[in-house]
Amino acid sequence: DVKVTQSSRYLVKRTGEKVFLECVQDMDHENMFWYRQDPGLGLRLIYFSYDVKMKEKGDIPEGYSVSREKKERFSLILESASTNQTSMYLCASSFRSGNINYGYTFGSGTRLTVV
Amino acid sequence: EDQVTQSPEALRLQEGESSSLNCSYTVSGLRGLFWYRQDPGKGPEFLFTLYSAGEEKEKERLKATLTKKESFLHITAPKPEDSATYLCAVYLSGGSNYKLTFGKGTLLTVNP
Repeated sequence: DVKVTQSSRYLVKRTGEKVFLECVQDMDHENMFWYRQDPGLGLRLIYFSYDVKMKEKGDIPEGYSVSREKKERFSLILESASTNQTSMYLCASSFRSGNINYGYTFGSGTRLTVV
Repeated sequence: EDQVTQSPEALRLQEGESSSLNCSYTVSGLRGLFWYRQDPGKGPEFLFTLYSAGEEKEKERLKATLTKKESFLHITAPKPEDSATYLCAVYLSGGSNYKLTFGKGTLLTVNP
């Protein structure tokens, strides 16, 4: 069964800390995505990557950066965590084939609390 | 301006009471519409993909349909285990590298 694995289910970090969220997929997917999900706001795209070392900003990139050194791994970095970054973070991956989108496979999510 | 709108925001049903969830989109150039199910504290789980108006997909008690303006997720004789948030997402022509745009979801509660 294909999988997207997020390294932590729950994290508690202090304001100002540098935070790394890791995501690994075993499906050889080209595309990987980071979303955050908040009540009433739905899923919002932070960053995505369509190839190794390639990245594009999503809708809310401020305060975040990403790294994709290997095809299977996509990391989200909070440079200096703030309380308004408390959220559920979801990683997803997808296969790329011409103009057809086959949809995402999501990880289980990381619930991050910044105190 | 929302491109994808789901309604209702929340729906409470009795077990066995069939109903439908709606996903409408206000953009042209739809290349695909996706339905996901999300349980509390978990990531969304893929249900269906629809690519063209008139297309229908079924899985157990769920049936998804697509028109040129909206999609419906019909739930027939639901059970309590169908309780979840249901998300729809669209893929648009000219979209950047397979980005999906999500609606805010419908929270479905099925009471025994």
